[in-house]
Amino acid sequence: SQQGEEDPQALSIQEGENATMNCSYKTSINNLQWYRQNSGRGLVHLILIRSNEREKHSGRLRVTLDTSKKSSSLLITASRAADTASYFCATVTDSWGKFQFGAGTQVVVTP
Amino acid sequence: GAGVSQSPRYKVAKRGQDVALRCDPISGHVSLFWYQQALGQGPEFLTYFQNEAQLDKSGLPSDRFFAERPEGSVSTLKIQRTQQEDSAVYLCASSLVSGVGYGYTFGSGTRLTVV
Repeated sequence: SQQGEEDPQALSIQEGENATMNCSYKTSINNLQWYRQNSGRGLVHLILIRSNEREKHSGRLRVTLDTSKKSSSLLITASRAADTASYFCATVTDSWGKFQFGAGTQVVVTP
Repeated sequence: GAGVSQSPRYKVAKRGQDVALRCDPISGHVSLFWYQQALGQGPEFLTYFQNEAQLDKSGLPSDRFFAERPEGSVSTLKIQRTQQEDSAVYLCASSLVSGVGYGYTFGSGTRLTVV
């Protein structure tokens, strides 16, 4: 079973707009990560936020974490057509470092 | 190589056939994970190796699934008597250290279709 749920399931925006997606999870975490997956490809790591952090930035990405609500959000600012992909949140809950993924948000950015 | 390599990229198997999926992690990487990703879903954990030791196989769906990493490098995921519900993308990920939950590199996956 999957750890979390992502919202929305799909998102369609135009270039230049911001894209926001949310992730909720069920159990306490060590850290939460966001990954991108282009169609037919593997997962690419975007950003990691630790359980004691509340916000993190990387380029056009901004991630927030609210451990009291067991939720995280990913904001992509000034989106580009190349941002078209599926985005997954993944939580690490055990000592092995294994991930539990959400079901993903499919983002389509049209020129 | 520079990344995690998985082969074959695509595999079509007839129901009941056995298949073997290969993962070549980045050289020197200690940790190796296998995940199964059904269409339109997020990846789900199958099994974890630390060097040659299989420390967690709790995600393997049935005893038809078997994974090994005999020399602590290349890993093989074997599925016996494949069934249609085994159709999915199988992803492999490796990392240099264990237990930290970051620094993973994923392969492009093997897409298995059982007909």
